[in-house]
Amino acid sequence: DGGITQSPKYLFRKEGQNVTLSCEQNLNHDAMYWYRQDPGQGLRLIYYSQIVNDFQKGDIAEGYSVSREKKESFPLTVTSAQKNPTAFYLCASSPRIRGETQYFGPGTRLLVL
Amino acid sequence: SQQGEEDPQALSIQEGENATMNCSYKTSINNLQWYRQNSGRGLVHLILIRSNEREKHSGRLRVTLDTSKKSSSLLITASRAADTASYFCATDAGSYIPTFGRGTSLIVHP
Repeated sequence: DGGITQSPKYLFRKEGQNVTLSCEQNLNHDAMYWYRQDPGQGLRLIYYSQIVNDFQKGDIAEGYSVSREKKESFPLTVTSAQKNPTAFYLCASSPRIRGETQYFGPGTRLLVL
Repeated sequence: SQQGEEDPQALSIQEGENATMNCSYKTSINNLQWYRQNSGRGLVHLILIRSNEREKHSGRLRVTLDTSKKSSSLLITASRAADTASYFCATDAGSYIPTFGRGTSLIVHP
C-alpha cells in the first residue's frame, strides 16, 4: 500500500522540551511539506523540501526545524522556542513542487502539558 | 498569508440537496485545487483545475473557475450525510506552493 504516514497520532510536550514528529512516504515523491492547522485558520506552511538535503522556510518557520536526509522521510522538530505549539500538524507530499496534487498524512495532534 | 478564502464559513443542508461553496483569491494563479477534510483527519484531494480551464467534473462534484473574477466554486450534487466535512481550496501563485484558505464546514443532515 502506497501512502504517507505520520506518527505519533497524539504527542504531549512539557515546557522547555523539544519533540519530533515523524513523516514517512513510500510514494517516491520528491517534494514534502509540513503544515500547522489551528481552529478557524486553515493550513499554514511551516517548511517544505523539494529534494533530499534541501528545505525552505514557509510562512511560520520560527520555533521549528526539519531535516531531509532521505527521500522518504521529513521529520519536524518543535523546539522549546515555539511558545504556542498546541495544534494539529499535517505532513504532505507531491511528485514535484510545481502545481501538483498533494497527498496528506493522517496528522499528529500536539498538546502541551 | 492566505491566498484563497472560502465562503460561506459554514453550510448546513438536508440530504439530497445541492451544496455550493465558493473560493476567492487575490493574485493570478497557475491552478486551483479543492480538498476535503473529515474531522481530525488529513486532507483528501478532490479536483485540480488549471487556469486555462473553466469547468471540471468528478462524479457528483462540479468545479468552475472564473479567472476574470478570481473565483471558483465547488458544487456537490445530491448531498449525502457522508459528505459532512470541511472543504478547502488551495491556490498556487508564483511560488507554486499551494496556499490554503480557512475552509467551509459542511454539515449534511440525514
